[in-house]
Amino acid sequence: GAVVSQHPSRVICKSGTSVKIECRSLDFQATTMFWYRQFPKQSLMLMATSNEGSKATYEQGVEKDKFLINHASLTLSTLTVTSAHPEDSSFYICSASSTGKLNTEAFFGQGTRLTVV
Amino acid sequence: AQSVAQPEDQVNVAEGNPLTVKCTYSVSGNPYLFWYVQYPNRGLQFLLKYITGDNLVKGSYGFEAEFNKSQTSFHLKKPSALVSDSALYFCAVRDGDYGQNFVFGPGTRLSVLP
Repeated sequence: GAVVSQHPSRVICKSGTSVKIECRSLDFQATTMFWYRQFPKQSLMLMATSNEGSKATYEQGVEKDKFLINHASLTLSTLTVTSAHPEDSSFYICSASSTGKLNTEAFFGQGTRLTVV
Repeated sequence: AQSVAQPEDQVNVAEGNPLTVKCTYSVSGNPYLFWYVQYPNRGLQFLLKYITGDNLVKGSYGFEAEFNKSQTSFHLKKPSALVSDSALYFCAVRDGDYGQNFVFGPGTRLSVLP
């Protein structure tokens, strides 16, 4: 299957700083990228959907000024957690789809464990 | 609105025995159904999908799933479980007619005992 690389896999940052997470599709062009947050022993919560060259569409309750998403190219999307606080500590996962069609599966990155201290 | 239920938090099965991980769904339009597996501190790996056609779908690592429209179910199965199949399994649905994003079930933890 297609490969999605997410970096870093783990990051620890101080409260008040910003953290950038990268998501790259290595062998296909990602028309659409999704960002999820996963709490311990829970399912994935969709944060936002981004299409290349467009502004991201955020889910209800997700602060777009806090979680900045950039999808500048067909192979790269970034999530920046601004002014991070301990409650932002979580597992963040990106996924990418090669088409905008609904019958296309998405491929997932390996996730980023963010710890804010 | 669409939703996915995985009625079992945990499934235990002995190695070599058949396994089933259950999933039921609700969508307004045409269901597109997916199974993913997650290993600890990893992202999700795609296993298989049902879009249309044959109700029995075969996927990666010997897994298969059966789409049952009348029961709105898409149970994941494998004839002979391996210890390495132990992981967290997620069922997901997209509404093919109304353009919704993936909605994931809560996950089922599969433990295959040697």
